Formats: sequence, C-alpha cells, structure tokens
Amino acid sequence: LAKITQPISMDSYEGQEVNITCSHNNIATNDYITWYQQFPSQGPRFIIQGYKTKVTNEVASLFIPADRKSSTLSLPRVSLSDTAVYYCLGPQGAGSYQLTFGKGTKLSVIP
Amino acid sequence: DTEVTQTPKHLVMGMTNKKSLKCEQHMGHRAMYWYKQKAKKPPELMFVYSYEKLSINESVPSRFSPECPNSSLLNLHLHALQPEDSALYLCASSTTPYNEQFFGPGTRLTVL
Repeated sequence: LAKITQPISMDSYEGQEVNITCSHNNIATNDYITWYQQFPSQGPRFIIQGYKTKVTNEVASLFIPADRKSSTLSLPRVSLSDTAVYYCLGPQGAGSYQLTFGKGTKLSVIP
Repeated sequence: DTEVTQTPKHLVMGMTNKKSLKCEQHMGHRAMYWYKQKAKKPPELMFVYSYEKLSINESVPSRFSPECPNSSLLNLHLHALQPEDSALYLCASSTTPYNEQFFGPGTRLTVL
C-alpha cells in the first residue's frame, strides 16, 4: 500500500509563498498525485493534480521530481482565506484508482 | 450544474432508527463515492460505485447499506447505528474512478 506523509501543520504570513511537501512511496509511473483543500464543515475541494514535473493552474503549482517519491504543492501569495487543511492524495496501491488521503496539513495564515 | 448536493445537512438519530442519506449530481459523472470523516481526521473511503455498480466496499459494517438507483443518485441507508458512527458523511462524484472528485458539503450525523 502507498503511504502518504505530509506535515501536520504550517504557519505563514499573508502574502508569502507556501510550499507543502508530501511523501508518497510505491506509486506507479502513471499514478496521479492530487491535492484538495478543506474548510471546516465543508467537503474537500480539488486544487490540482499531476503525475510528473510541474503543473500550474490559477491557484497553485504542483512540483513532482523525477523519482516521484514526493511532491510539493506551492500556493503563491497566500491570504487569510487560504487558512484550511490541505490533503495530499495518492493511489492506495501502485496503479490503483482507489485514492488514499494523507493525514492533512493545517495551514494557518497570519496577518 | 457543477455541484454535488447532499441531504439532509444534519441528522440526529437513535440507535434503533432507520434513516437514509441522499446524494445527487447532474454532471454526468459515472463514479460516485461515500466517505466518512471524523473530526480532525481525513475522509475515509466507504463505497465506490462505477457505472451504477458497487465496485468497492471498504469492509464497511452491514448497518451501512449503499444504493445507486440511477447515474445521478446515491443513497446511504442507515440502520442500527452506534454512537461511534457519528461523523460527517461526504458524497463525491467523478467522470470516471480515475478522475478529479467533486465533493458535496456533507451530512453531519449524530447517533444518540
């Protein structure tokens, strides 16, 4: 089974770039890594997904090195409204479409 | 329509009650999911339906019974629950089981 590991919490000041790293072993070449954001009492919301190198969208970037044993979610210029729990998801096993959530990283943005 | 709706938002039930949670999406997604989330924990997958057929059951107790009447609807029937089953129950859908999942707001369930 793939094991997903991410920091429990992070603090950042408003306007700074935040990088959250996730470790994931035992993923296959074409397995995606996905990140979700969750606010209290709401369902998780998709942020970004990728399986190699770098992916960028309007809210974040995802960096995946060649060995694919880790990935980094980058949030540019965070604001107070980015305070949330960020989950890294990977396959439950190599090549599986069942996703497993990491334990989540609680990001607190400070004024 | 790009959202997943869940009803009810809150549910309080006794251990002898029978109730159902409902989930609906009109995005044409063919995979639908039930997750259970306890406080300060990540969501845990319970069931996956793919093309209206149950494809994954993560060893969930039989007091939880899923049903997928059609491609837009997903129900979770509850019977004889225990207090430890109190949690946020999340429904999600995706175009196929490999793709981005869209989550509903959840049903907050309390079992007395």
